[in-house]
Amino acid sequence: QVTLKESGPGILQPSQTLSLTCSFSGFSLSTYGMCVGWIRQSSGKGLEWLANIWWNDDKYYNPSLKNRLTISKDTSNNQAFLKITNMDTADTATYYCARSGVTTDFDYWGQGVMVTVSS
Amino acid sequence: DVVLTQTPSTLSATIGQSVSISCRSSQSLLDSAGNTYLYWYLQRPGQSPQLLIYLVSNLGSGVPNRFSGSGSGTDFTLKISGVEAEDLGVYYCMQATHAPRTFGGGTKLELK
Repeated sequence: QVTLKESGPGILQPSQTLSLTCSFSGFSLSTYGMCVGWIRQSSGKGLEWLANIWWNDDKYYNPSLKNRLTISKDTSNNQAFLKITNMDTADTATYYCARSGVTTDFDYWGQGVMVTVSS
Repeated sequence: DVVLTQTPSTLSATIGQSVSISCRSSQSLLDSAGNTYLYWYLQRPGQSPQLLIYLVSNLGSGVPNRFSGSGSGTDFTLKISGVEAEDLGVYYCMQATHAPRTFGGGTKLELK
């Protein structure tokens, strides 16, 4: 059974760095073709893909967030991480992590973690 | 970035009715290897999105066969043959052919 769960600070101030953790089970990020991605959703709005990290440590980022994103993984502990620097109120959203395989993008999602940026 | 335009933005249906949602892309989603990376997701109220359809027309694991996907190039359709109450929510298409991945704006399915 594949499960994912996000964790994060809940609230932070503008200009701070957001650190998110995705803890998962039921698959391994050392297995060929596996990937974990991060997607966010602002309140009442649509979905925005942020970044992916693959089993071979290939990383892909959404250029719209320029150089603010860093994705990483800890294969031994079945975790993936996302850091976003210089957070702004516009980054207030629910952040999801999701698994992808070779053909099935985001076939399992976490419950999401709400992050509020406020002074 | 590839823009995915979903229509309609809101869809009212009765239980048992068949409905279709359109997803139109600003660029062809057919890649040089002949693959089309177009996906459909359903986000029920208060829940995370769930995968319905992958690679245009393949049913996700555990997804009822009243859902079907079709299309090619720039025009894609999700059809629900006989809406059930559990199908209510917001439907999103997503493309992964061109970087970055992008989602459509969503179609809200509600009860008439």
